[in-house]
Amino acid sequence: NAGVTQTPKFRVLKTGQSMTLLCAQDMNHEYMYWYRQDPGMGLRLIHYSVGEGTTAKGEVPDGYNVSRLKKQNFLLGLESAAPSQTSVYFCASSRTSGGPTQYFGPGTRLTVL
Amino acid sequence: GDSVTQMEGPVTLSEEAFLTINCTYTATGYPSLFWYVQYPGEGLQLLLKATKADDKGSNKGFEATYRKETTSFHLEKGSVQVSDSAVYFCALSDLNTGNQFYFGTGTSLTVIP
Repeated sequence: NAGVTQTPKFRVLKTGQSMTLLCAQDMNHEYMYWYRQDPGMGLRLIHYSVGEGTTAKGEVPDGYNVSRLKKQNFLLGLESAAPSQTSVYFCASSRTSGGPTQYFGPGTRLTVL
Repeated sequence: GDSVTQMEGPVTLSEEAFLTINCTYTATGYPSLFWYVQYPGEGLQLLLKATKADDKGSNKGFEATYRKETTSFHLEKGSVQVSDSAVYFCALSDLNTGNQFYFGTGTSLTVIP
């Protein structure tokens, strides 16, 4: 039981390049989330999904897209990376949103030059 | 809207000292409250939680009590260890806001021998 895994762990991009971050969970959770973590700002929700085939915007969705084609996977895409997207990205999942625990992946450190 | 405010760090304590990290919240409904811990280079892990007023969450010697009258969820530990050095996040989840999680900005704790 691996829990929540994220690929890749580190990435460096040039401005304007695109990439996809992959999140996978093996706990059969319905809900999945993408956050970014920046110094002094805590975690901010980018997008989330309440089930396969559904996505919704969080607090800071601009510049990102997501897809949830399979229940166990949640992809975060950057179509044209900007230096402001330099951050650590965390994926999380939960059985239902709210009261039960959110389980976090180890994070992806992204640098945009 | 919903929000969480926690004391700013960094906090530096000597081993066996008493720890308090303050957390207050604003919510429209009846949120669940959480403390998460992040060790260097890792994702967030649930430390403890409380789902209703006057509940006390506890784990690994840490405690926090859900105080509705003061809208607080302060984290305490009677005797910290070097291994407790980490960043601690207070968070809430509120049914009235679609069960999204709202995180504080985090408090960095360093325990010195």
